[in-house]
Amino acid sequence: SAVISQKPSRDICQRGTSLTIQCQVDSQVTMMFWYRQQPGQSLTLIATANQGSEATYESGFVIDKFPISRPNLTFSTLTVSNMSPEDSSIYLCSVEGGRDTQETQYFGPGTRLLVL
Amino acid sequence: EDKVVQSPLSLVVHEGDTVTLNCSYEVTNFRSLLWYKQEKKAPTFLFMLTSSGIEKKSGRLSSILDKKELFSILNITATQTGDSAVYLCAVEASGDDKIIFGKGTRLHILP
Repeated sequence: SAVISQKPSRDICQRGTSLTIQCQVDSQVTMMFWYRQQPGQSLTLIATANQGSEATYESGFVIDKFPISRPNLTFSTLTVSNMSPEDSSIYLCSVEGGRDTQETQYFGPGTRLLVL
Repeated sequence: EDKVVQSPLSLVVHEGDTVTLNCSYEVTNFRSLLWYKQEKKAPTFLFMLTSSGIEKKSGRLSSILDKKELFSILNITATQTGDSAVYLCAVEASGDDKIIFGKGTRLHILP
């Protein structure tokens, strides 16, 4: 299994500012994923972050708005840039880990962001 | 320590069968319980439950929450091969504002 921590757990930010969210995993993992969760909606995948390469962004998400770093196999950051109220959401970090012979996905506790 | 435990971890049934997936939790300051279906990378939201004893239904899927016994079940009737997926349960906690996910139940429906 994998234990994931995120910082900050929550923040309230002003429009136009940027926030960097940190994700730390207690084991080395190849792939890390960043999601956001808006109330009553599905988790939306923002990007996949592999160590040593550029993150892969999903449709509707761009690097200028959501730059990601992946400096090593246990850590990643997601920055939400030039924030607007529409960016208010829960941001989740996730990794894949083996469970017997089946892959399972582990999620961090989330970062609850409110943009005023 | 807050935790969410799902059972079974995996389940194989035949098309047409009914399945019940379980989710138990120990969370301080419970806010809501969420069920998701994950087929690819991004889980799809199914239900949000906040009140005990009120069943939520969507087609062949239904779910109910028991806040006294701290568990929820997800029922799928007349299963189809398209129901094959990992079903995730998550609990939102107020106070420190976090979401705790279970490890999921991997459901496989045989034709």
